[in-house]
Amino acid sequence: DTAVSQTPKYLVTQMGNDKSIKCEQNLGHDTMYWYKQDSKKFLKIMFSYNNKELIINETVPNRFSPKSPDKAHLNLHINSLELGDSAVYFCASSTRTASPLHFGNGTRLTVT
Amino acid sequence: GENVEQHPSTLSVQEGDSAVIKCTYSDSASNYFPWYKQELGKGPQLIIDIRSNVGEKKDQRIAVTLNKTAKHFSLHITETQPEDSAVYFCAPYTNAGKSTFGDGTTLTVKP
Repeated sequence: DTAVSQTPKYLVTQMGNDKSIKCEQNLGHDTMYWYKQDSKKFLKIMFSYNNKELIINETVPNRFSPKSPDKAHLNLHINSLELGDSAVYFCASSTRTASPLHFGNGTRLTVT
Repeated sequence: GENVEQHPSTLSVQEGDSAVIKCTYSDSASNYFPWYKQELGKGPQLIIDIRSNVGEKKDQRIAVTLNKTAKHFSLHITETQPEDSAVYFCAPYTNAGKSTFGDGTTLTVKP
């Protein structure tokens, strides 16, 4: 029944490692997003995909690489992790532009 | 890009009182105005939204008002309950194709 699901829920890793976060939505939405929420709760968009095509790429280090194998999945791969990457990463989806975002429950990434 | 300001950053009310959170945006082309509620350990969830051709919308104890001329919209919660305690975000949508989130308001409802 889960609409937007992310795995893993928690991720603890050391600096310099490479990690991936997976996201799947079963809502039939065309657009998917990655958001980053820092320790102050600020939410910033990182990427947006529409039907597997990248449409928004904010000022994000190129160590972050999103991949959308199909419109129901959007994964996030992070290379050479840094302490500043520690945050909660949220995947979201929507039907079209200017419509409600449906969020997953987040992946808490801790880099030590 | 869109500049979004949300006030207050924290709000504490007594159960049964009303709460109002205001969001000011800069892009006059913004056309969709949602409010999200985020509970601890969860992702934000839409609680109410309004489009640019409407001035007010109400859903039980929650309402949103929009002033397009002044470029602000507000969330109103009446008869607050402890379960309303959460972080609330405005996220106006622009023609740039994205929602820009405000910095959030932590609402605490004291029983």
